Amino acid sequence: DGGITQSPKYLFRKEGQNVTLSCEQNLNHDAMYWYRQDPGQGLRLIYYSQIVNDFQKGDIAEGYSVSREKKESFPLTVTSAQKNPTAFYLCASSIDSGHYSNQPQHFGDGTRLSIL
Amino acid sequence: GEDVEQSLFLSVREGDSSVINCTYTDSSSTYLYWYKQEPGAGLQLLTYIFSNMDMKQDQRLTVLLNKKDKHLSLRIADTQTGDSAIYFCAESMAFSGGYNKLIFGAGTRLAVHP
Repeated sequence: DGGITQSPKYLFRKEGQNVTLSCEQNLNHDAMYWYRQDPGQGLRLIYYSQIVNDFQKGDIAEGYSVSREKKESFPLTVTSAQKNPTAFYLCASSIDSGHYSNQPQHFGDGTRLSIL
Repeated sequence: GEDVEQSLFLSVREGDSSVINCTYTDSSSTYLYWYKQEPGAGLQLLTYIFSNMDMKQDQRLTVLLNKKDKHLSLRIADTQTGDSAIYFCAESMAFSGGYNKLIFGAGTRLAVHP
């Protein structure tokens, strides 16, 4: 079945540690996204990538980094510079990011990151 | 600015209809989406509506769009306990370079009771 796989489902970070969240898709989508979800809030965009080897900052990129070396993979690193990393992280993808066609985003099941 | 607003909580009796409301800000939004999130899971696309439509029906789901008031609603007929979840409204906005951004509301938690 085609879909988006995020791993791990739960992740714990120690002080001063970088952690990497995995996101893989087999939908052949060009665009991929990372969102952060906090309780009682909507989704906030961290980074997005429209095509391989290219990515852009979203609304809350500070303390995070990404790479897009392969079309199907868009890992997110939460660095030690992110002082409040506890949240639910969601990865999404869409066919491409063009505005004037229907481009729903499809989501993975998320990774819950907590501080030890 | 970008803002999508939803009421935070809705409680309905099983078998009744649920109506979840949303207001958005960008009149140039092309598509508007409804997503469902169950506990501990990602977002599942429920339905969408193109901005030149005013209604779309898909089985138990009816989407109404009032473009003049920038108001979107999702009606769930014959609500079941399995419909208990958080429902997110999202508008599609164009950004520079042709990039398409989704702006999400904070979500409405639907509780269905017997």
